[in-house]
Amino acid sequence: DTEVTQTPKHLVMGMTNKKSLKCEQHMGHRAMYWYKQKAKKPPELMFVYSYEKLSINESVPSRFSPECPNSSLLNLHLHALQPEDSALYLCASSPAGGWGSFGYTFGSGTRLTVV
Amino acid sequence: KNEVEQSPQNLTAQEGEFITINCSYSVGISALHWLQQHPGGGIVSLFMLSSGKKKHGRLIATINIQEKHSSLHITASHPRDSAVYICAVSADKLIFGTGTRLQVFP
Repeated sequence: DTEVTQTPKHLVMGMTNKKSLKCEQHMGHRAMYWYKQKAKKPPELMFVYSYEKLSINESVPSRFSPECPNSSLLNLHLHALQPEDSALYLCASSPAGGWGSFGYTFGSGTRLTVV
Repeated sequence: KNEVEQSPQNLTAQEGEFITINCSYSVGISALHWLQQHPGGGIVSLFMLSSGKKKHGRLIATINIQEKHSSLHITASHPRDSAVYICAVSADKLIFGTGTRLQVFP
C-alpha cells in the first residue's frame, strides 16, 4: 500500500457544526502532516506529527484540533469554523520527521466548504 | 522575494511539444521535489532530487546544486499532462513554489 487515504472527499458544514477529517497511511511512515490549500495558492503547513507526537503547530487557530491516535492515523477535528476556512485540506506522510532528503506522499484531499 | 520561484507561471502547448518548467531557490536544501496537481485534486509526487538527473517515462528532472536551479522537462506532451506543476524544497520546512499551470491542447 503506497497511498495516503483521506476521508471524506467533500464536506459541507455549518459554522456551529463539529466534524472531523481523517487521514490514513500504511506505509510505515513516522511523520504525518496537515496542509491547507486555498484556490490557486500553494499548500500552507498547519501541523506536523512525528512519531505520534505533535512537533509543529504553525500558529493554527484552536478551532482546528489535530489528533494522532496511532502511527497510521491522523485526524483533524473541526469546530466553529468560519467561511474563510473553506479550502482543500491535504494530508501527507513521510518516512521520518524533519525535512531531510526523503519523499512525501500526499492524499487526494478533503474539499471543505463552511456555510 | 519568494524563496522558491518558478517560471513560467502559465504555459500552453500543443500535443507533442517539448516542455520545460524552471525552478530557482535561494535557501539551503536537503532535497528538491517536483509535484503534480490536477484541478481540484490531490498532489502527486513526481521526483525527489538531491543531485543530478532523474527520468520517469516522458518526464525528466534535473538539478544544479551550485546554481540553485532545477528543471522539469516533459517530452512528447499530451493533454493528460495538463495540471499544475509545483516545485518544493526541503529546507527548514517544505517550501512550495507558486506552481506552473500547464495546458496541453490536442
